[in-house]
Amino acid sequence: LAKTTQPISMDSYEGQEVNITCSHNNIATNDYITWYQQFPSQGPRFIIQGYKTKVTNEVASLFIPADRKSSTLSLPRVSLSDTAVYYCLVGDIGAAGNKLTFGGGTRVLVKP
Amino acid sequence: GAGVSQSPRYKVAKRGQDVALRCDPISGHVSLFWYQQALGQGPEFLTYFQNEAQLDKSGLPSDRFFAERPEGSVSTLKIQRTQQEDSAVYLCASSSREGGYGYTFGSGTRLTVV
Repeated sequence: LAKTTQPISMDSYEGQEVNITCSHNNIATNDYITWYQQFPSQGPRFIIQGYKTKVTNEVASLFIPADRKSSTLSLPRVSLSDTAVYYCLVGDIGAAGNKLTFGGGTRVLVKP
Repeated sequence: GAGVSQSPRYKVAKRGQDVALRCDPISGHVSLFWYQQALGQGPEFLTYFQNEAQLDKSGLPSDRFFAERPEGSVSTLKIQRTQQEDSAVYLCASSSREGGYGYTFGSGTRLTVV
């Protein structure tokens, strides 16, 4: 599985946009990029997934450049409740039993 | 159920005790995973079931760890002769697909070995 590198932590303020960039230089042709969010005392929660260009849902946007060696999760107008750890994962979603490989994640702290 | 349910939520065990952690996946979900999450770290894979078959147990840290899913639904992770280094949150996840990242995680069981 492709290894990922993301910042350890980021601070932001309510109402701002938060962008978290993940590097995955060894991404393979069949690999997708997926982001999970984890609050304290809870399991990770799926946010968004993409293969190339841009994906948007009601929670976030995912930007993937043409070479796919990195990706950026964008959280618009964050609130205090967006304080969490965000994980970037890369892998072949078509593979049966494909185990998720988590890195250390990015701790996002949203301040008032 | 509506989500993945894990019990107990918290477990304190004396070193050397055996513990059993339960996971109730979403009804009908084929895939079930167990993860271990140490404090301040990302979750680490332990084992994977497809229905009742344990297809991957490469992440189990020692032969003290054992998992089963006899009827393809509820799963139990058993840890024998617990050690302090076993203290962690144990997460269970399930999915309706064999592949893909549409996994739903439970809230985990926090195990503390004293």
